Amino acid sequence: DAGVTQSPTHLIKTRGQQVTLRCSPKSGHDTVSWYQQALGQGPQFIFQYYEEEERQRGNFPDRFSGHQFPNYSSELNVNALLLGDSALYLCASSLFLQPNYGYTFGSGTRLTVV
Amino acid sequence: GQQLNQSPQSMFIQEGEDVSMNCTSSSIFNTWLWYKQDPGEGPVLLIALYKAGELTSNGRLTAQFGITRKDSFLNISASIPSDVGIYFCAGRSSNTGKLIFGQGTTLQVKP
Repeated sequence: DAGVTQSPTHLIKTRGQQVTLRCSPKSGHDTVSWYQQALGQGPQFIFQYYEEEERQRGNFPDRFSGHQFPNYSSELNVNALLLGDSALYLCASSLFLQPNYGYTFGSGTRLTVV
Repeated sequence: GQQLNQSPQSMFIQEGEDVSMNCTSSSIFNTWLWYKQDPGEGPVLLIALYKAGELTSNGRLTAQFGITRKDSFLNISASIPSDVGIYFCAGRSSNTGKLIFGQGTTLQVKP
């Protein structure tokens, strides 16, 4: 039973470029949430997707956008990259109607903006 | 962004010692979660708490949901070298899927 898988594991981009990160949720989960974790900090909530719609959003600019596909997988897109966007991006999957069943995190994508 | 107040920030202890860390918030939560994160990995759930006053154990780990619903603590008994890592608390309010995390407690265990 595969857990949450994220790709790529590492990525280096230049300031001003755009990036797409991908996430496949744990089998049986229907909801995907994205978090940004800066070095030495706890994860910060970016947004959550369920039924292919953004259900909740954290305090992130519109440069951060996402998408969820019919198979529940998700993408995180970041436009006009800034140096401050360098971070570990984590994907967490869960069941929308049973949040107390827990959130399973992937290993993350390490994004470096130069 | 919003974060919980987690303390201590770091701990360096001898193998076999007990460890205690806590988390406080200015907001009420309906769920408290404790995660461990190893280098290069995502957070892994250790204990979940769903009711004020609840005390839950998972092996050598024990966590409690504060009665004010604004705090939680995690205890690790008889620490071993594999306990090394970063421990995060996280809170969730009702009707939201958003987790609010603490800044983490870095634990180092000396054999």
